[in-house]
Amino acid sequence: KQEVTQIPAALSVPEGENLVLNCSFTDSAIYNLQWFRQDPGKGLTSLLLIQSSQREQTSGRLNASLDKSSGRSTLYIAASQPGDSATYLCAVEVRNSGTYKYIFGTGTRLKVLA
Amino acid sequence: GAVVSQHPSWVICKSGTSVKIECRSLDFQATTMFWYRQFPKQSLMLMATSNEGSKATYEQGVEKDKFLINHASLTLSTLTVTSAHPEDSSFYICSANTGTGGEKLFFGSGTQLSVL
Repeated sequence: KQEVTQIPAALSVPEGENLVLNCSFTDSAIYNLQWFRQDPGKGLTSLLLIQSSQREQTSGRLNASLDKSSGRSTLYIAASQPGDSATYLCAVEVRNSGTYKYIFGTGTRLKVLA
Repeated sequence: GAVVSQHPSWVICKSGTSVKIECRSLDFQATTMFWYRQFPKQSLMLMATSNEGSKATYEQGVEKDKFLINHASLTLSTLTVTSAHPEDSSFYICSANTGTGGEKLFFGSGTQLSVL
């Protein structure tokens, strides 16, 4: 059974720091991995999608890497800002018998202090 | 990006009543929609996968008769919580994509259900 874990569970940093959020999964047979942002009481916004054949994706100050063989992904946030404060979730796509679904990690609650 | 609209945003109901939550894809056809449940400060738990025109696939431990899912068109899926009880109080979120997998997921804004 696929399990997705994120470390740390919570993080509080001063503005301007570079951050690394970690995501690990137990079964390397994934099709892609996505990173999402969730603001309190809201839905999720997709940040980056890494296909299983890719090693990393970048969007602005965000960079996500994927190492399928070791079951790990990292989300790097450069020059953090208070507006980055949110919960960050990773999710892996798994497939079975023609169906697919996404398994979510436990999340990292980030607070960037002004 | 694609837009998924979820309604209502919040609902308060008495124990024993049924509540319907709608999830609409506004600018694309969503062959597949997913329904999740989220408890405070916890991650998303997949409840069921809904495919247009067919029965939903429920995850282990999710009661089919309790959480009725209908996906009658390519732009609308509904989740009905039947005979709701206080333990059903939670944040429910839907997501959708075009149904082929390997694509970004787009989420509704969620529904906070409180059962008194």
